[in-house]
Amino acid sequence: GAGVSQSPSNKVTEKGKDVELRCDPISGHTALYWYRQSLGQGLEFLIYFQGNSAPDKSGLPSDRFSAERTGGSVSTLTIQRTQQEDSAVYLCASSSPSGGVWSYEQYFGPGTRLTVT
Amino acid sequence: AQKVTQAQTEISVVEKEDVTLDCVYETRDTTYYLFWYKQPPSGELVFLIRRNSFDEQNEISGRYSWNFQKSTSSFNFTITASQVVDSAVYFCALSAYMDSNYQLIWGAGTKLIIKP
Repeated sequence: GAGVSQSPSNKVTEKGKDVELRCDPISGHTALYWYRQSLGQGLEFLIYFQGNSAPDKSGLPSDRFSAERTGGSVSTLTIQRTQQEDSAVYLCASSSPSGGVWSYEQYFGPGTRLTVT
Repeated sequence: AQKVTQAQTEISVVEKEDVTLDCVYETRDTTYYLFWYKQPPSGELVFLIRRNSFDEQNEISGRYSWNFQKSTSSFNFTITASQVVDSAVYFCALSAYMDSNYQLIWGAGTKLIIKP
C-alpha cells in the first residue's frame, strides 16, 4: 500500500514569506507526527495529532509555526514569516497506535527540504 | 531523567565486517519501549524494530540482530557481514513516561559507512 507522502519535496523561500508543507499519512493511521531535522542532526519533535483529540503542540518552536489536520487525514504545517534558522528537513510520520501514541512504530515520509534564503 | 545515548557518532567499516551500534538509555519507568530506525542517504526513516521492556529476548532478522540488556540499560544493534547498502544513519529511540505524559526520546544517531 501507499506510504506516507509529503509535498513539496523541496521548497526554497525568501525570508519573511509564509510556507505550507503537506503530509498525506498512510490510510487508516490515526496518529500523525511532524518533526524537524537540521543538517546532520537528530529529530526534533514539533507536533502530533491523534484521532479527534486536541493536538500536542508542545514541540512547536515559536508561534510562527502551526499545523492542522483536516478530516483526520491530510495535515498541513504552516510556517509564517520564515527565518533562515527554519531551514531544515521537515519530516512527517504516521502510525496506528492501539495504545499510547509514542509506544508504536512510526512510518515516515520522504520529508520536505526547506531552504530559507 | 529519560535519555538515549548513542556514543558512536560515526563508524566506518569495510564490507563484510560485523559492526555493532550501541544504544544506552535512561528511564525510571518499568514499562517502556525501544526502537531502532534507519535513515539511508535518501532521507526517509525506516522502522527496524520495536521492543518492550518486558521482553529481553534477543532478536535476529537476517543479518540484523538486537541485544536488549536491562541490567546495563542497553539495546545494541549488530549487523553481520555488512553491505554497502547498510550505509545510513541509525537512530535509537525510547518511549517512556516523562512530565505526566509519554514521550519519544531520540538518540543523536550513528552514521554508519560501509566501504566496498
